[in-house]
Amino acid sequence: DAKTTQPNSMESNEEEPVHLPCNHSTISGTDYIHWYRQLPSQGPEYVIHGLTSNVNNRMASLAIAEDRKSSTLILHRATLRDAAVYYCILGVPTDSWGKLQFGAGTQVVVTP
Amino acid sequence: NAGVMQNPRHLVRRRGQEARLRCSPMKGHSHVYWYRQLPEEGLKFMVYLQKENIIDESGMPKERFSAEFPKEGPSILRIQQVVRGDSAAYFCASSATGLAFFGQGTRLTVV
Repeated sequence: DAKTTQPNSMESNEEEPVHLPCNHSTISGTDYIHWYRQLPSQGPEYVIHGLTSNVNNRMASLAIAEDRKSSTLILHRATLRDAAVYYCILGVPTDSWGKLQFGAGTQVVVTP
Repeated sequence: NAGVMQNPRHLVRRRGQEARLRCSPMKGHSHVYWYRQLPEEGLKFMVYLQKENIIDESGMPKERFSAEFPKEGPSILRIQQVVRGDSAAYFCASSATGLAFFGQGTRLTVV
């Protein structure tokens, strides 16, 4: 399975944007890029996913490099509620899309 | 539309007892996945089930652990003769044919 590399932690001020990088240099042509986050003492929460084009939803934006070897999750205005571990995961849309390989993720700290 | 429901949220068992963790998938979802998160560690896939079938159990410990997803009712993760090392958060996820959504987990403590 293709692996992803993320920084261990990032810090941001409240209401500032947060850019979370993810490297996936061995990504295959059919791998989607998923982002989940896990707030303290809660289950993982789906954030966003994409294949080639940049994606936006109410939670975040996903910017995918042209060569697809890296991507960036963008939280436009961080709030205290965004403090969580963010996971970048590669997956292929099959019946087992829920079989996800979680790494260590990036711990996001939001400072008031 | 209720999300993925797991119960109990917290479970305490003595060593040697059995633990039963339940997961009700989202309405319309027929795929269930179980994950374990040991203290200070990442989430690890355990097993993937569809109704009445185990599809992938590559992450399940070989002994004492079993899972089922009957035609009617929730999916059950069963741990027999629990040991202290089984203390962890167990998460269930469900999907239809695409994205998976997670429950809030069951925190198992073995004393």
